[in-house]
Amino acid sequence: GESVGLHLPTLSVQEGDNSIINCAYSNSASDYFIWYKQESGKGPQFIIDIRSNMDKRQGQRVTVLLNKTVKHLSLQIAATQPGDSAVYFCAERSGNFNKFYFGSGTKLNVKP
Amino acid sequence: GAGVSQSPRYKVAKRGQDVALRCDPISGHVSLFWYQQALGQGPEFLTYFQNEAQLDKSGLPSDRFFAERPEGSVSTLKIQRTQQEDSAVYLCASSTDRGSEQYFGPGTRLTVT
Repeated sequence: GESVGLHLPTLSVQEGDNSIINCAYSNSASDYFIWYKQESGKGPQFIIDIRSNMDKRQGQRVTVLLNKTVKHLSLQIAATQPGDSAVYFCAERSGNFNKFYFGSGTKLNVKP
Repeated sequence: GAGVSQSPRYKVAKRGQDVALRCDPISGHVSLFWYQQALGQGPEFLTYFQNEAQLDKSGLPSDRFFAERPEGSVSTLKIQRTQQEDSAVYLCASSTDRGSEQYFGPGTRLTVT
């Protein structure tokens, strides 16, 4: 399978601070990326996506940055809240349109 | 509207038993995916359906794993002669078409003892 990994397995931030979660991918042919949030006992929840022809995409309090030169993806969460505490996964699609490869996840802890 | 549902939510099986895991996708979603998620890991692709056709089953780890979606809606993942390494959360996801946003169910946690 593809190699999608995260630099930091656990990230602790103070409530109100900004969070940055990073992801490295190995396949330069990947054309679509998604960030998911997974809370304990639940399935992954879509946060934001970005296609390979874009460098940046913004949502509500979240921004995804894509650097194709170094095959790096990041998720920025502004004004992190306790409800943001979860495990975050990046996923890439490459080659086969129906198959996504997930990283191992980063656990975000938000301290009040 | 209703999301993706899965049943049972928890399943304990003795090694060697067969299990069947059910997925009810969002109504009208033509694409359905099964993933396996080991503890502390990201989901790993198992298989993909477009309507009733199983277009990709390359992720199924062995011939003990079998998935079906006979009428293009509900899907069942069957594992025969379960082994301890089959213990994981099995996630189902559906989408409106290929490659678009996938909506995940809560998963079935399978524990093989």
